[in-house]
Amino acid sequence: NAGVTQTPKFRILKIGQSMTLQCTQDMNHNYMYWYRQDPGMGLKLIYYSVGAGITDKGEVPNGYNVSRSTTEDFPLRLELAAPSQTSVYFCASSYPPRPTNEKLFFGSGTQLSVL
Amino acid sequence: AQSVTQPDIHITVSEGASLELRCNYSYGATPYLFWYVQSPGQGLQLLLKYFSGDTLVQGIKGFEAEFKRSQSSFNLRKPSVHWSDAAEYFCAVGGYGNKLVFGAGTILRVKS
Repeated sequence: NAGVTQTPKFRILKIGQSMTLQCTQDMNHNYMYWYRQDPGMGLKLIYYSVGAGITDKGEVPNGYNVSRSTTEDFPLRLELAAPSQTSVYFCASSYPPRPTNEKLFFGSGTQLSVL
Repeated sequence: AQSVTQPDIHITVSEGASLELRCNYSYGATPYLFWYVQSPGQGLQLLLKYFSGDTLVQGIKGFEAEFKRSQSSFNLRKPSVHWSDAAEYFCAVGGYGNKLVFGAGTILRVKS
């Protein structure tokens, strides 16, 4: 039972390069999320999706794009990498928002450095 | 706007001692409250959650938390800390729809 899988685990980018962080889940969850984690700042929501074909911005969407063509996959795209995007990125998924089942399942993270 | 404050960036406790991690929240409606734990190099794992009912909730690994509406707090406690509890702990608040807002985290160190 894989849960939420993120690739790659580590990546170094040069300023201006682009890349895609991959996220896939095998739990048939409708909701998926991308967070970034910076020291002393907790997790900030970048984008989220409530189902295939539906995405919306979170708190810090600038510089990122997402797509959700399938229930399983929710890739995060950085088009022009900047040093401010150096962070640890977490993908998460959850069941539909029923209170008794609300729980986020997290991937193990992608550590990204932009130099 | 909803927000979460974890006043303590670092806490160090001796193994076997009791633990309390503080969390204060701001939320305009009935909050859903969560505590997550993150071990080094890992994603976050849910410890416990509060939606309604009994204000003292039990979680995994012997943790509990108490919701105090009058104080807008949801502090995490454990009566006896083990070395394996060393990790970073995040409090989060949300409402219906699962868009959680996380606190900045508290790093717990356990000394033997």
